[in-house]
Amino acid sequence: DIVMTQSPDSVAVSLGDRATINCKSSQSVLYSSNNKDYLAWYQQKPGQPPKLIIYWASIRESGVPDRFSGSGSGTDFTLTVSSLQAEDVAIYYCQQYYSTPPTFGQGTKLEI
Amino acid sequence: EVQLVESGGGLVKPGGSLRLSCAVSEFTFSHAYMSWVRQAPGKGLEWVGRIKNKVDGGTTDYAAPVKGRFTISRDDSKNMLYMEMNSLKTEDTAVYYCTVGGSVMEYWGQGTLVTVSS
Repeated sequence: DIVMTQSPDSVAVSLGDRATINCKSSQSVLYSSNNKDYLAWYQQKPGQPPKLIIYWASIRESGVPDRFSGSGSGTDFTLTVSSLQAEDVAIYYCQQYYSTPPTFGQGTKLEI
Repeated sequence: EVQLVESGGGLVKPGGSLRLSCAVSEFTFSHAYMSWVRQAPGKGLEWVGRIKNKVDGGTTDYAAPVKGRFTISRDDSKNMLYMEMNSLKTEDTAVYYCTVGGSVMEYWGQGTLVTVSS
């Protein structure tokens, strides 16, 4: 199975500042035939189910604010929140879907 | 708006069985791959298994910890997803989420809590 490792485990950022969360996969999730990275990001707010925010490493799901962006390729990925808002407090998970079973990172708690 | 509503969770003794259901609405259910994802109390997310749509064979895949004990099925005529859980262990205690998608989990239900305890 592909192991996904996120860093840091938790991070505190001031309102309006940039937040960065990293995700590393134990093997590449870049599929060479279509040049796509099989990497998604989810946001889970307290007491709620997770919500898909980014797929194909950098494509924002419909309705997700453009302050959220995803980058990276191969084995190293980053989720950036460009200007933190109070409603962004959540746990963020990366997930690979390159191979079965799909696997998640351990989560990063984003706080103010 | 897509809605997924899980039911069937509860308290069960180790070795027992439980059947989870998921009702899906406002979505072309028959076209979709569907997955179950679980989250143990205070822990992260773990993919449990998925079922493909009938066009792609309706086959299932499972995570190693549940293979041979859990069975996922679907009834496209009722827009329903199911998961039969047998030989339950204490480590199966979790909130179980029904999701749309077999790889990327596009939509999630609110989850149903399964507690395995004597």
